[in-house]
Order: sequence, then structure tokens, then C-alpha cells
Amino acid sequence: LAKTTQPISMDSYEGQEVNITCSHNNIATNDYITWYQQFPSQGPRFIIQGYKTKVTNEVASLFIPADRKSSTLSLPRVSLSDTAVYYCLVEGDTDKLIFGTGTRLQVFP
Amino acid sequence: GAGVSQSPSNKVTEKGKDVELRCDPISGHTALYWYRQSLGQGLEFLIYFQGNSAPDKSGLPSDRFSAERTGGSVSTLTIQRTQQEDSAVYLCASSSWTSGGTDTQYFGPGTRLTVL
Repeated sequence: LAKTTQPISMDSYEGQEVNITCSHNNIATNDYITWYQQFPSQGPRFIIQGYKTKVTNEVASLFIPADRKSSTLSLPRVSLSDTAVYYCLVEGDTDKLIFGTGTRLQVFP
Repeated sequence: GAGVSQSPSNKVTEKGKDVELRCDPISGHTALYWYRQSLGQGLEFLIYFQGNSAPDKSGLPSDRFSAERTGGSVSTLTIQRTQQEDSAVYLCASSSWTSGGTDTQYFGPGTRLTVL
């Protein structure tokens, strides 16, 4: 399984765009990149998934360069409610997900 | 249309006692996962069930931990002779896994286990 590396924590202010970058140098051809969000006292929640280039949904955008060795989760105009831990994972046919420590995002007013 | 449910939501037990944690996955989901999360830490994979295949037990920390999945649906995680270091939130997730690597997991609210 590909190992991911992401910053331990990030701070932002309401209304700003937040970009969280994840490194996955050993990503395999069959692996997808998935981001989860976890609020305190809750289980993680799926945010977005992509394989290459750019994916956008109502919550976030995911940018993946051509070599796929990294990915960037972009949260537009964050609010206080976006304060959470964000996990980057790569997954493929092996099925089993390995969660790292994630990035703890703190949004200030 | 219900999500993944887990029971109990909180469990306090004494060291040395056995505990059972239950997970009801989303109906129709063939894959079921158990994770453990200690305070302020990431998720630690414990065990994975997929259909009728033998479970992947590679994440179980010791032989005191075991899990079953009956009828391809409900799962029970059992911890025998609990220790204080077993205190954590135990999370269950399910997915409708299909080959191709787009396995989106849906998590339950977790069971907070406290071993005194």
C-alpha cells in the first residue's frame, strides 16, 4: 500500500481558500486518491476521490499532477465548520485503507 | 436508507473483563472494516471482511481481539481480558466494494471504550 505524507496541522481564517497537499510517492497504477474529513467524536466522512487531473464537487476540489505522486485538496472559502482532521489515502485493489494521522485544520473567525 | 450503526455508543468496563462491540453495516454492503482510534491519533486498521472471503486480520493487535461477521451483515468485535491500553474509539465502516479501486467507506459513529 502506498504511504502518504501530509502536514500535521494547518491554520486558516474564515473565507480563505485552504490547500492541503499530500505526498504519495509510491502510488500504484491502480490506486485512487481519496480524502476523508473527520469531526471530533464522529467517524470519518468521504469528501472527494480522484485518479488524475482535477475533480470538483460541491465540497472541494482535488488536484492531481500528471505523475500522481502528490495531490492537493482545495477547500474554497472555509468556514468555522470546516475545522476538522483531513485524511489523504490511496487505495486500489488491495481494498484495505490505511489512515495516517491526517492534517488537523483549524479555522479561526 | 440508514447509515452504519454501532452499539453501544459508550462502554465502560473493568480491566480483565470481556467486551463485545456491534456494527450494523449499510444494507447490501459487502465489505466491513473495524478501526481503532486513540485520543488525538489517526485510525488504526484492525480487521476487514469482504463477502465470503476469509477476513483480513492483519491489524488485530493481539489474540485478545477477534471479530465475526454473521450472515454477511452484522459484525461483532470482541475484546477479551481488556487492558487499559484498549481504551479508544472503535469505528466500523462498510462499503459496496467493487474491483477497480473506488471503495468509498461509510463510517459509523463509533463506540467509545473506556477500560478502568
